[in-house]
Amino acid sequence: KQEVTQIPAALSVPEGENLVLNCSFTDSAIYNLQWFRQDPGKGLTSLLLIQSSQREQTSGRLNASLDKSSGRSTLYIAASQPGDSATYLCAVINQAGTALIFGKGTTLSVSS
Amino acid sequence: AAGVIQSPRHLIKEKRETATLKCYPIPRHDTVYWYQQGPGQDPQFLISFYEKMQSDKGSIPDRFSAQQFSDYHSELNMSSLELGDSALYFCASSWGEGGYNSPLHFGNGTRLTVT
Repeated sequence: KQEVTQIPAALSVPEGENLVLNCSFTDSAIYNLQWFRQDPGKGLTSLLLIQSSQREQTSGRLNASLDKSSGRSTLYIAASQPGDSATYLCAVINQAGTALIFGKGTTLSVSS
Repeated sequence: AAGVIQSPRHLIKEKRETATLKCYPIPRHDTVYWYQQGPGQDPQFLISFYEKMQSDKGSIPDRFSAQQFSDYHSELNMSSLELGDSALYFCASSWGEGGYNSPLHFGNGTRLTVT
């Protein structure tokens, strides 16, 4: 059964710092991996999608990498801003299914 | 750009009542997914539809049912509501079955409170 783990569960940094969020999954047979952002009580906003054949994706200050063989992904946020404060969720789609399987998220707090 | 629309935003029901949640996907998206997120929990997959047919089934209780209509909107019907059904219910849509090549886009959710 696929399990997705995110470390750390919470992270507090001062504005301007670069940071890395980690995601690991137990079954490497995935179709893709997606990073989401969720603000409290709000919906999920898709940040980046990495196909299983890809190594990384970039969007603005965000860069996500994927190492399928080791079951790991990282989300790199450059020059963090207070507006980046949110919960970041990693999710995978298994080759055998269609459902996103989520990690429990990393709650990021960026102080000004 | 148009997003996934969910209604209602908030819903309060009593135990044993029924509830219907609606989801309107992004135009031209043919796949709809339903997720349940309990307080402090990660989203759990309930069910998905592709081209109006059930595509995949997750941890959806037998008391719940869903369907996708000809205009691709979807409804989640929940009966015999229990206190534990209180959660945020998200709908997501994508183009193509399974979200393999296009990302899932989520709505803002319906917050269901069962009293």
